[in-house]
Amino acid sequence: DVKVTQSSRYLVKRTGEKVFLECVQDMDHENMFWYRQDPGLGLRLIYFSYDVKMKEKGDIPEGYSVSREKKERFSLILESASTNQTSMYLCASSLVGTTEAFFGQGTRLTVV
Amino acid sequence: GENVEQHPSTLSVQEGDSAVIKCTYSDSASNYFPWYKQELGKRPQLIIDIRSNVGEKKDQRIAVTLNKTAKHFSLHITETQPEDSAVYFCAAPSFPSGNTPLVFGKGTRLSVIA
Repeated sequence: DVKVTQSSRYLVKRTGEKVFLECVQDMDHENMFWYRQDPGLGLRLIYFSYDVKMKEKGDIPEGYSVSREKKERFSLILESASTNQTSMYLCASSLVGTTEAFFGQGTRLTVV
Repeated sequence: GENVEQHPSTLSVQEGDSAVIKCTYSDSASNYFPWYKQELGKRPQLIIDIRSNVGEKKDQRIAVTLNKTAKHFSLHITETQPEDSAVYFCAAPSFPSGNTPLVFGKGTRLSVIA
């Protein structure tokens, strides 16, 4: 069974803080993704990566950056958290050449 | 890139009735259409998918149909049960070929009333 694990289930941060969301997958998947889930807006792609040290912007990258130093780990960074980044963040991974995405359990981030 | 529209945003059905959720896509070259189910407080999980070389696929009480001419695909759930209550997302690849992320619809919240 593919396991995608996000480091925190719930997180509360203050405006202006630098926030790190961590995601680890154990199935040697090349592809990793960060999505943001908001009611009525579905899942929106923030960033994705097809290989170590490689990253591509998704549809809503503003205010975020990512890091992929190891194949199994993909980190989402909020450089200076703002209240409009309060959301559910979902990490996903997939095998190269396939499209089925396996999701983590999500991190509900609240910025106060 | 691809654009996916999903309707309705909410759907309530009586237990035992059928439920249908529809999605349209913009890129006629798209070739893979998955459906994900997200139960309350849980992660989205793939429940069924269809490729562009077939028109329909069934798995027990769920089925997906694809109309390539009209560029839409639908999820059909028959004999609905309370455990079918969840948010359902349709998706399509951002680009029709190569390694590509999924673009998701906005989701449909299905409530099955016992």
